[in-house]
Amino acid sequence: DGGITQSPKYLFRKEGQNVTLSCEQNLNHDAMYWYRQDPGQGLRLIYYSQIVNDFQKGDIAEGYSVSREKKESFPLTVTSAQKNPTAFYLCASSKGPQGGSPLHFGNGTRLTVT
Amino acid sequence: QKEVEQNSGPLSVPEGAIASLNCTYSDRVSQSFFWYRQYSGKSPELIMSIYSNGDKEDGRFTAQLNKASQYVSLLIRDSQPSDSATYLCAVTSTGANSKLTFGKGITLSVRP
Repeated sequence: DGGITQSPKYLFRKEGQNVTLSCEQNLNHDAMYWYRQDPGQGLRLIYYSQIVNDFQKGDIAEGYSVSREKKESFPLTVTSAQKNPTAFYLCASSKGPQGGSPLHFGNGTRLTVT
Repeated sequence: QKEVEQNSGPLSVPEGAIASLNCTYSDRVSQSFFWYRQYSGKSPELIMSIYSNGDKEDGRFTAQLNKASQYVSLLIRDSQPSDSATYLCAVTSTGANSKLTFGKGITLSVRP
């Protein structure tokens, strides 16, 4: 079954610690994305990558970092510099550029920082 | 700042009724339009995409696009309790740096 796998589903961390969220896809999609969703809010783009070894900042990249060393993988690191990291994080992929291709989402990682 | 607005909510309809969800957008050159359904605690799933003016039907769902008025809507006929979810409108423009912009969503509740 093709799809996007995010792990873990729930993640707890102490303030001041960095944490990495995993995202793997076997859809052979070129583009991958990270979104953040807060209660009652829409999705906000953190980072995206249209090709291996290249990625771009989204609307709220501060306090986050990514890498795209393989087509299948796009991990997101939430650093201690992110002021309000508690949120629902969604990874997505698309066959082509974000402009015309619909997004396929993973099941999400719910991060809680205390 | 390109915006996507979904203002009228939450929405409650009785089972069997037509639910009408509306979305307006600010970028005149927007070309691709999507509706996603998101159940509570889950990730969004694509239910409709539309690219040209007019109506597009898929089962009980109809997407309507009016580029001149800059709105896109989703009609759900014969609403079922299982349709209760948040519906996200997403809009994108063309160009090398085109980006998908999501609305905040509208929560639909279908009463049995």
